[in-house]
Amino acid sequence: SQTIHQWPATLVQPVGSPLSLECTVEGTSNPNLYWYRQAAGRGLQLLFYSVGIGQISSEVPQNLSASRPQDRQFILSSKKLLLSDSGFYLCAWSTWTRNTEAFFGQGTRLTVV
Amino acid sequence: AQTVTQSQPEMSVQEAETVTLSCTYDTSESDYYLFWYKQPPSRQMILVIRQEAYKQQNATENRFSVNFQKAAKSFSLKISDSQLGDAAMYFCAYRSDGYSGAGSYQLTFGKGTKLSVIP
Repeated sequence: SQTIHQWPATLVQPVGSPLSLECTVEGTSNPNLYWYRQAAGRGLQLLFYSVGIGQISSEVPQNLSASRPQDRQFILSSKKLLLSDSGFYLCAWSTWTRNTEAFFGQGTRLTVV
Repeated sequence: AQTVTQSQPEMSVQEAETVTLSCTYDTSESDYYLFWYKQPPSRQMILVIRQEAYKQQNATENRFSVNFQKAAKSFSLKISDSQLGDAAMYFCAYRSDGYSGAGSYQLTFGKGTKLSVIP
């Protein structure tokens, strides 16, 4: 069966520090991968998606970047965090099957102080 | 671009009663998929139910069912025999059919409805 791992679960970082959140998927190959952010009182906002190694599409221009160095690994990064980067970050994956849903990791709560 | 609207920020229901959560969406596409996700306090997103737009029959999953009105672009979730474990944030989500390219597999979410279950 497929599983998705996301870490860390909680992170407190000072303003201006770098960020690296990692997500890996097991049990499937060539998944579509996604990074979403959930701000308080708002729905999930798509940040990045990837359809293959090295292929990253950005939905919202901001202080973050994403990379996919391996087929089932998706990394969210920042060189210098801002206070506005605080939030709950969710990684998700889906197959290429038309009627599939997205499967989510357990999320990372990031607090920038 | 597609948009999803959930007009009820919060709802409450008595245990064992029935509650309906509303969702409307805007799209120019004819084929697409709609989902209801549940997010309990643990923050894990869990799929509740899925509806394919080309199917006229409303989807059901045990105590959960939807009322899909394609012409009205409405997709409500009905929870019957509510249980304490149903208390969570519920998100309605839209997904294109995928024929537009790989990027169209992304989900567009509403802002969510917080459901409380009263014992």
